[in-house]
Amino acid sequence: DTGVSQDPRHKITKRGQNVTFRCDPISEHNRLYWYRQTLGQGPEFLTYFQNEAQLEKSRLLSDRFSAERPKGSFSTLEIQRTEQGDSAMYLCASSQTSGTGLYEQYFGPGTRLTVT
Amino acid sequence: GNSVTQMEGPVTLSEEAFLTINCTYTATGYPSLFWYVQYPGEGLQLLLKATKADDKGSNKGFEATYRKETTSFHLEKGSVQVSDSAVYFCALGRNSGNTPLVFGKGTRLSVIA
Repeated sequence: DTGVSQDPRHKITKRGQNVTFRCDPISEHNRLYWYRQTLGQGPEFLTYFQNEAQLEKSRLLSDRFSAERPKGSFSTLEIQRTEQGDSAMYLCASSQTSGTGLYEQYFGPGTRLTVT
Repeated sequence: GNSVTQMEGPVTLSEEAFLTINCTYTATGYPSLFWYVQYPGEGLQLLLKATKADDKGSNKGFEATYRKETTSFHLEKGSVQVSDSAVYFCALGRNSGNTPLVFGKGTRLSVIA
């Protein structure tokens, strides 16, 4: 169990560019979540998956945001036509839905996005 | 909708002082409640949880009791250490945590020697 990993850890991009972030969950976890955290705030839920199925995407901030988890393992979050307001820390978490009952979410280190 | 309200920080305490960080929530039904901690330069870590009314979660000397009557889940520690300096987040969710969490804004704690 190597924990949840995210790549890249930092991304600086110019306004209008597209960016993609990757998350690798804990291997036996079937649920994967994306959150956004801005300075001085708690994480804000964006979307989540069970295996490859996206269970909720209505909280994605705009239609510029999309996420997928094509094989039920890693996930990507894409932001198209980035804006300065997209600058934030993007967090990924994973959890399981069966087993010993330890269903807590485990978080990755995050990807810090800066849009200039 | 569901929401979590935490006391504003930052909180500065001397080593060995008593810590309380207040957390209240609004939710339909019976949520599970969590405290997460974020140490400098690190990711969010689950500190403790409680899944039903009157449950007490505890870990590393920290405790919190799920109080349905006051819709609260206050975090306490009897004697803080410098190593406890971090940002603490209260959160609520369903099904012991495998559904999207709603977080408070966080409370920054600084412990000085």
